[in-house]
Amino acid sequence: AQTVTQSQPEMSVQEAETVTLSCTYDTSESDYYLFWYKQPPSRQMILVIRQEAYKQQNATENRFSVNFQKAAKSFSLKISDSQLGDAAMYFCAYREGAQKLVFGQGTRLTINP
Amino acid sequence: DVKVTQSSRYLVKRTGEKVFLECVQDMDHENMFWYRQDPGLGLRLIYFSYDVKMKEKGDIPEGYSVSREKKERFSLILESASTNQTSMYLCASTMITGSVPGELFFGEGSRLTVL
Repeated sequence: AQTVTQSQPEMSVQEAETVTLSCTYDTSESDYYLFWYKQPPSRQMILVIRQEAYKQQNATENRFSVNFQKAAKSFSLKISDSQLGDAAMYFCAYREGAQKLVFGQGTRLTINP
Repeated sequence: DVKVTQSSRYLVKRTGEKVFLECVQDMDHENMFWYRQDPGLGLRLIYFSYDVKMKEKGDIPEGYSVSREKKERFSLILESASTNQTSMYLCASTMITGSVPGELFFGEGSRLTVL
C-alpha cells in the first residue's frame, strides 16, 4: 500500500514570512494525484492545492505553491506571506484508487504575530 | 456550497455501548468515507461506500460497521464501543467524476470519548 510521510509534527513561522512543509510518499504508480489539505482549529478540513503527477509544472494557488519532485517522491507545500488565518493542521495526501485518499500524519502550523 | 453534516460534534459513551455516528451530504455525491483522526497518525480510512447499499473496508475496519441505505446518508456503527475507539471521526464525500479529482468535502468531525 502507498504511504505518505510528514516528518514535521509542528512548524512555526512569523507572520508575513515564508514556510515550507515537507511530505514524502511511496508509490510504484506513474500517474497519480497529490494533495494538501488544511484543517483549521475546530473547523472543517478543506483542500488547499493539488498536483497531478504527469504535469511537470508545480501547482500554485495564490500564496500557496508546491515543489513536486517526482523522482524523489517529494511534495512540499510553500506558504508565502504567512497570515494568522493560515494557522492549522496541514495534511499531505495521495490518491489511491478511484477516489480514496491516503493521508500523512499532519503538521501543525503556528503563525507568530 | 457542499455541505457535509455530522450529527454529533461531541459524544461520551461507556464501554460496551452501541454507538451510531451519522453523516449526511447534500450534493448528491456517490462516494462517502469515514476516517478516524488521531494525533501523530493522521487520518486513517475505516470504511467507504461508492453507492447505496455498497461498502468496502478501509485500512482499519475492525470494531466498526457502516450502513448506506440512502445516497445522502452514511452511518458509522460501533457495535460495542471500547476505550481504544476514543478518537475524532471525520466523514467525507466526493463525486466519482468532477473537475477536481480527489477533492473530498469533510464534515466538522465527531469527537467520541469512550469511558
